[in-house]
This record gives sequence, structure tokens and C-alpha cells, in this order.
Amino acid sequence: LAKTTQPISMDSYEGQEVNITCSHNNIATNDYITWYQQFPSQGPRFIIQGYKTKVTNEVASLFIPADRKSSTLSLPRVSLSDTAVYYCLPQKAAGNKLTFGGGTRVLVKP
Amino acid sequence: DADVTQTPRNRITKTGKRIMLECSQTKGHDRMYWYRQDPGLGLRLIYYSFDVKDINKGEISDGYSVSRQAQAKFSLSLESAIPNQTALYFCATSAAGGQGEQYFGPGTRLTVT
Repeated sequence: LAKTTQPISMDSYEGQEVNITCSHNNIATNDYITWYQQFPSQGPRFIIQGYKTKVTNEVASLFIPADRKSSTLSLPRVSLSDTAVYYCLPQKAAGNKLTFGGGTRVLVKP
Repeated sequence: DADVTQTPRNRITKTGKRIMLECSQTKGHDRMYWYRQDPGLGLRLIYYSFDVKDINKGEISDGYSVSRQAQAKFSLSLESAIPNQTALYFCATSAAGGQGEQYFGPGTRLTVT
């Protein structure tokens, strides 16, 4: 399984854009990049998934360069409720097992 | 109503006791999973099941067993609980196709004294 590295924590302010970069140097050809969000004492929640270039949904955007050795999750105009831990995971298409690293703890301040 | 439910939500038990954590889902998914989370860490996979007749060990299955009673039900047992099994336990489900998105339950906080 590809090993991922992401910042341990990030602080931001309401209304700002938050970008979290995850490195996955040995990602496999058939791995997708998936991001989950976890609030305290709750189960993780799927945010977005991509393979290459850019994916956008109502919650976030995901940028993956051509070499796919990293990816960046972008949260536009964060609010206090976006304070959470964000996990980057390589995942086989319709994959089953998820391997969670330590994640990035994002704190949004007023 | 929640798609994935777990019971109990909190449990305190003593070392050596047998305990069962239950998970039910209404999403009609074939795949179900059990994870544990220790404070400040990510989730680790204990067991997973792709259908009623399929059970697979995850990365930390020692000390645990599971039962897939039906498509909608997947239970986790600790045959003889020990203090280092104190953790937050999550059940999850996913469909066989699509993006493989997993839907997590609210978690069970287990304390073994």
C-alpha cells in the first residue's frame, strides 16, 4: 500500500481557503486518491476521490498533478464547522480496505 | 434514521470479560468492516466481510472475532477483553462498485478496566 504523508495540523480563519497537500510517492497505477473528514467522536465521512487532474464537488476540490505523487485537497471559504481531521488515502477503484494515516487536524478560528 | 447503527455506544467492561459490539446497516450494501481508533491516531482495520459467507482478517485481528449474521448485520466480539483493547470502534459499509465510498457508524467507545 502506498504510504502517505500529510501535515499534522493546520490553522485557518473563517472565510479563508484551506489547502492540504498529501504526498504519496509510491502510489500504484490503479490507486485512486480518496479524502475523508472526521469530526471528534464521529466516524469518518467521504469527501472526494480522484485519479488525475482536478475533481470538484459541492464540498471540496481535489488537485492531482500528472505524476500523481501528491494531491491537494482544497476547502473553499471554510467555516468553524470545517474544524476536523482530514485523511488522505490511496484506494483501489471500488476498493475495500482503507488504510488511515494520522491525518491533518484543521482548526478553523473565528 | 441513521444508515449505520452501532450498539452499544459506550461500554465499560472488566479484563477477561467477553463482549460483543453490534452493527446494523440499512444501505443494502454487501461489504462491511470493523475498525478501531486509538486517541490521536487513524483507524486500523480489524475484520471485513464482502458478503454473508465471506470473512477476512484485517491488520489487527488478534484478540477479535466477527460474525456476519445477515447482509445487514456484522458483529465484533472480544472473547477475553484486555485493557489495550480500550478504543473507539467503528463499523462501516460500502457497495461493491462505484467509488468504494465507506459509510461509517457513530462508533462504540469501549473501556476495558
